[in-house]
Amino acid sequence: NAGVTQTPKFQVLKTGQSMTLQCAQDMNHEYMSWYRQDPGMGLRLIHYSVGAGITDQGEVPNGYNVSRSTTEDFPLRLLSAAPSQTSVYFCASSYSGRSSYNSPLHFGNGTRLTVT
Amino acid sequence: AQKVTQAQTEISVVEKEDVTLDCVYETRDTTYYLFWYKQPPSGELVFLIRRNSFDEQNEISGRYSWNFQKSTSSFNFTITASQVVDSAVYFCALSEAGNKLVFGAGTILRVKS
Repeated sequence: NAGVTQTPKFQVLKTGQSMTLQCAQDMNHEYMSWYRQDPGMGLRLIHYSVGAGITDQGEVPNGYNVSRSTTEDFPLRLLSAAPSQTSVYFCASSYSGRSSYNSPLHFGNGTRLTVT
Repeated sequence: AQKVTQAQTEISVVEKEDVTLDCVYETRDTTYYLFWYKQPPSGELVFLIRRNSFDEQNEISGRYSWNFQKSTSSFNFTITASQVVDSAVYFCALSEAGNKLVFGAGTILRVKS
């Protein structure tokens, strides 16, 4: 039972490069989300999805794109990386979808991204 | 807009001391959920507890206890007889309709032997 799987674990990018952080879950969860964690700022919501084909913005969406073509996958795309996007990124999923909002999140192990 | 404030940036205690982590939240909804998560030095995020806005009963789980008070919009977390393994970052979080979980900045707890 893999849970939430994030790849890669570490990544170094140069300013202006693009890349996709992968997230997959095998729990048939409707809800998936991306957070970034920065020192002293907790976890901030980037984008989230309540089901396949539906995405919405969180607190800090600028510079990031997402799509949800399947229930299992929720990739996060950095279009043109900037040093301000240096962070640890967490993908999370939960059973809750459109109709409820009380299920605990299951987190991946994180991706540490450095943009130089 | 929903907001969570954890005013304690870092707390240091000696093993066996009791410690309380504070959490204050803001929301306009009458229905919401509160959570606590733990992030040990290894980095993963571990779910500890969930509370809905209609249940103000305190909860105890072993050495952990939670005090939810709607009158003060607080959901505080107490560790009794702390241990070195409790050293971690602890996050309080709030979920309104739509499952947008918003986190506080976290409190770093250091338990020294």
